[in-house]
Amino acid sequence: QKEVEQDPGPLSVPEGAIVSLNCTYSNSAFQYFMWYRQYSRKGPELLMYTYSSGNKEDGRFTAQVDKSSKYISLFIRDSQPSDSATYLCATQKTSYDKVIFGPGTSLSVIP
Amino acid sequence: NAGVTQTPKFRVLKTGQSMTLLCAQDMNHEYMYWYRQDPGMGLRLIHYSVGEGTTAKGEVPDGYNVSRLKKQNFLLGLESAAPSQTSVYFCASSRGSGNTIYFGEGSWLTVV
Repeated sequence: QKEVEQDPGPLSVPEGAIVSLNCTYSNSAFQYFMWYRQYSRKGPELLMYTYSSGNKEDGRFTAQVDKSSKYISLFIRDSQPSDSATYLCATQKTSYDKVIFGPGTSLSVIP
Repeated sequence: NAGVTQTPKFRVLKTGQSMTLLCAQDMNHEYMYWYRQDPGMGLRLIHYSVGEGTTAKGEVPDGYNVSRLKKQNFLLGLESAAPSQTSVYFCASSRGSGNTIYFGEGSWLTVV
């Protein structure tokens, strides 16, 4: 079993829709959770960083962590064509451990 | 600031050839990393460095070597390329282990 799993998609939504991207992980020791956004033919860039359970909001983006079910979500409100990218979730056991990346979910927002 | 710069961006190699991927960062970061990204596999850590003159193995180090002679540079070498090394390679850097990882734009390598 992979340590971090994501549905690869592709996920296609109309502009303005609310998008829900999800990730599951296998090790309950993971405490730090990240979402990276990767545009086509570019390197990933950090979008959200959260510690332990709960929600974190940044503009149109909300990251949610449910440690009891080992489930991570990223919600995008009022999605825009510029949100079209691959979204990678990532986790760490401690801030000193290596980062484990999921395979990514491809999102297309159609104008 | 250029951030993390990788060269070359694209390369085709024949099986058995050698090559070096170059990475440079201008953010004065201590940590540098080399990842490979394959469809369905996500980003996998090849080697990393926690400071000038240091290197360590990551998740998939076999067939690769690295060197960090200068703080700003991290080189990834393939001594004898194999088709299984066809991939997209990303260099990255961070201030420390718990800090944001900044990625380069990637190097597309095909081994035929």
